[in-house]
Amino acid sequence: DSGVTQTPKHLITATGQRVTLRCSPRSGDLSVYWYQQSLDQGLQFLIQYYNGEERAKGNILERFSAQQFPDLHSELNLSSLELGDSALYFCASSPGAGAFYEQYFGPGTRLTVT
Amino acid sequence: QQQVKQSPQSLIVQKGGIPIINCAYENTAFDYFPWYQQFPGKGPALLIAIRPDVSEKKEGRFTISFNKSAKQFSLHIMDSQPGDSATYFCAASMVSGAGGTSYGKLTFGQGTILTVHP
Repeated sequence: DSGVTQTPKHLITATGQRVTLRCSPRSGDLSVYWYQQSLDQGLQFLIQYYNGEERAKGNILERFSAQQFPDLHSELNLSSLELGDSALYFCASSPGAGAFYEQYFGPGTRLTVT
Repeated sequence: QQQVKQSPQSLIVQKGGIPIINCAYENTAFDYFPWYQQFPGKGPALLIAIRPDVSEKKEGRFTISFNKSAKQFSLHIMDSQPGDSATYFCAASMVSGAGGTSYGKLTFGQGTILTVHP
């Protein structure tokens, strides 16, 4: 158990809908990363927050957004869902924002868009 | 330039064998190279990591070899066990990229599915 929690574990929804994925980082970690894992694209970085502020963006679609709250939990919002958005979404946390801080991954949320 | 190429895609060894997984990168700004292990239905778990000023790092049965001039690094699993059967990912990150927007994001290889037969 990494100490990172993600809810829900599974999510099934229809195209065009909007969903929210939630992540609680390890105690004391200030940085949260979101990654998408799919069969064709592998593990892809989406976005990073550090102590409530956005620090880095990857290939995140405009339909996707995220935020980190004062209690440091983070939410990833996915809207106007398409079939291709079906994937595993992982949250990772680390104590700091830099590359040398180890990232610990949560168990993921499996999103199925029908 | 942001890619990390991993090989092989899959690997089958007998118990006690030494599977080797290789990764190569282009961007010389990468300066942190972790390996992750993922079991089905679970999130990636950090195994071991290395920085480019070190050529080798061992942790238990896992060893990373790093060749900075060739821009390659590899994972060796000594005395492999059936419980090591999982997908392994190499990754790379940099302290800061252009405009300081790459703080710690990981660029992953495509993964290697390892099967260790009893």
